[in-house]
Amino acid sequence: AQSVTQLGSHVSVSEGALVLLRCNYSSSVPPYLFWYVQYPNQGLQLLLKYTTGATLVKGINGFEAEFKKSETSFHLTKPSAHMSDAAEYFCAVRTWAGANNLFFGTGTRLTVIP
Amino acid sequence: DAGVTQSPTHLIKTRGQQVTLRCSPKSGHDTVSWYQQALGQGPQFIFQYYEEEERQRGNFPDRFSGHQFPNYSSELNVNALLLGDSALYLCASSLAGTGYNEQFFGPGTRLTVL
Repeated sequence: AQSVTQLGSHVSVSEGALVLLRCNYSSSVPPYLFWYVQYPNQGLQLLLKYTTGATLVKGINGFEAEFKKSETSFHLTKPSAHMSDAAEYFCAVRTWAGANNLFFGTGTRLTVIP
Repeated sequence: DAGVTQSPTHLIKTRGQQVTLRCSPKSGHDTVSWYQQALGQGPQFIFQYYEEEERQRGNFPDRFSGHQFPNYSSELNVNALLLGDSALYLCASSLAGTGYNEQFFGPGTRLTVL
């Protein structure tokens, strides 16, 4: 069965500081992993994804994530936070092999302090 | 190029009523998935439609049903509404094919059940 755990429902960082959002997963099939961002009253936007190949994945808006199989982790990072990064972030894993539907974590709300 | 659109934006219903939500997929997409996002939670997969048939289903009761039309648009129907059905309902579209096919999300319909 698939599951996603996001450590920390709320994370606050200062503008210009490192952003680190944690995600651990469990998957009974080779995992495809995703990070989505959701701004208030909007849908989900894909930040980045890992399917196969390179374990360090770069996404939009300066975000990147590293797939670590031994740690079952897929943490999201950004070297320098910007005010516009304030949003809700969701980690997700595909539901089963051959499908493109997703199992989401409960989300982490990122606050950026000026 | 229009993205995924959903209607209505907001909806208020009372317990026991029935509701229909609508989704138009991104241009060129033929597959539609529906997700329920309760307040403070991550989205949960309801079901997916392709070629006018339900192909995959998550852990939702039969009160949740859907339909896909020949133009690939889709409806989500919920019967006998419960207070717990209050949520943001997200539609996601994709193009079927080999390999992983990214889902694009709409802005959602906010359903409130009183």
